[in-house]
Amino acid sequence: KQEVTQIPAALSVPEGENLVLNCSFTDSAIYNLQWFRQDPGKGLTSLLLIQSSQREQTSGRLNASLDKSSGRSTLYIAASQPGDSATYLCAASLSGSARQLTFGSGTQLTVLP
Amino acid sequence: DGGITQSPKYLFRKEGQNVTLSCEQNLNHDAMYWYRQDPGQGLRLIYYSQIVNDFQKGDIAEGYSVSREKKESFPLTVTSAQKNPTAFYLCASRPGGSYNEQFFGPGTRLTVL
Repeated sequence: KQEVTQIPAALSVPEGENLVLNCSFTDSAIYNLQWFRQDPGKGLTSLLLIQSSQREQTSGRLNASLDKSSGRSTLYIAASQPGDSATYLCAASLSGSARQLTFGSGTQLTVLP
Repeated sequence: DGGITQSPKYLFRKEGQNVTLSCEQNLNHDAMYWYRQDPGQGLRLIYYSQIVNDFQKGDIAEGYSVSREKKESFPLTVTSAQKNPTAFYLCASRPGGSYNEQFFGPGTRLTVL
């Protein structure tokens, strides 16, 4: 059974720093990996989706990478801002047609002004 | 204005009562999903549906039921058989076929009194 782990559970950085969030998964036969942002008490906002055939995806200050062989993905946030403060979740999709997602427990990021 | 709506935002239930959470989407998506989120944890899949009149159990389906009579609607009933129903419930949808990205609603917070 696929298991997804995110470390650290919480991270606090000063504004302007570049940072990396980590995600690891046990079964390398994933179909894709998706990164989400969740604000307190809110739903999830999709940030980036990486197909299994891709190595990375970029959107603005965000860059996500995928290494299937090592079972790892990273989310790089450049020049962090207080507005980036949120919980970041990664989720791995199974290969079946239903594209079920297995989620990590998230990293709670605080960017200090 | 396209999107996924969930209602109500907050729901209180007495022990022993069934309660139904609403999820509606006007995105013309084929697939819909229900997830449960407990504090400090990732999301766990309850049920999913890939087409109208068809649905499958996820990892934690016990004590829950769903229906998919219309493409745009996927209500979730939390029954009295669910031993610990207090949680944040999130609905998601996906266009279907080879399109992989899931989109989430704002969530319903259920509290059992």
